[in-house]
Amino acid sequence: QLQLHESGPGLVKPSETLSLTCSVSGDSVTNDKYYWGWVRQPPGKGLEWIGSFYQGGSAYYHPSLKSRVAISVDTSKNQFSLNLTSVTAADTAVYYCVRRPVTIRAIDYWGQGTLVSVSS
Amino acid sequence: EVVLTQSPGILSLSPGERATLSCRASQSVTANYVAWYQQKPGQAPRLLIYAASKRATDIPDKFSGSGSGTDFTLTISRVEPEDFAVYHCQQYSISPISFGQGTRLEIK
Repeated sequence: QLQLHESGPGLVKPSETLSLTCSVSGDSVTNDKYYWGWVRQPPGKGLEWIGSFYQGGSAYYHPSLKSRVAISVDTSKNQFSLNLTSVTAADTAVYYCVRRPVTIRAIDYWGQGTLVSVSS
Repeated sequence: EVVLTQSPGILSLSPGERATLSCRASQSVTANYVAWYQQKPGQAPRLLIYAASKRATDIPDKFSGSGSGTDFTLTISRVEPEDFAVYHCQQYSISPISFGQGTRLEIK
């Protein structure tokens, strides 16, 4: 059974870097059947795709975040991470790590999500 | 970016009624790469429909999706108490992936 678990600080100061890790169990982040990535949801608002990668290779990001975001992969730990620099209050959101099968390309698995607040 | 507009914003229905949720795209979504998700309070979204009309694993047949081009619909044939939630549409045909703002299905 696949499990995705997000971890990281729940509070980040403005202008600092938000860092989250997604630990994957029940599958491998190098599995060529899936994309892995991040989606966020500001409180009371809709979903926003952040970015994703394939087979531990190059990542693709939402253009609005591209200058501030990076997704990295640690295949030895079967984890992937999100770094978002120069955060503001607008980055306050629940952050989800997700899996997208190459075949259907919709998101079939979501982590439980972690709330990150940006505040001094 | 493809902008998805969902309507109505809030849909108030009684159990047993039929729910029709709309998702309109700002440009044609090729290959009908549209998905629908259900989200209950405090939970992650759950995939219901992908490729506009294909039900995901273990999704009951009361949920159905239809549409093509720029207009897509999620239908719940007879709404049950557990169906009251927020529904999101998503397109994954044109990068960047985008979502609608959601439709809240509430008990009338």
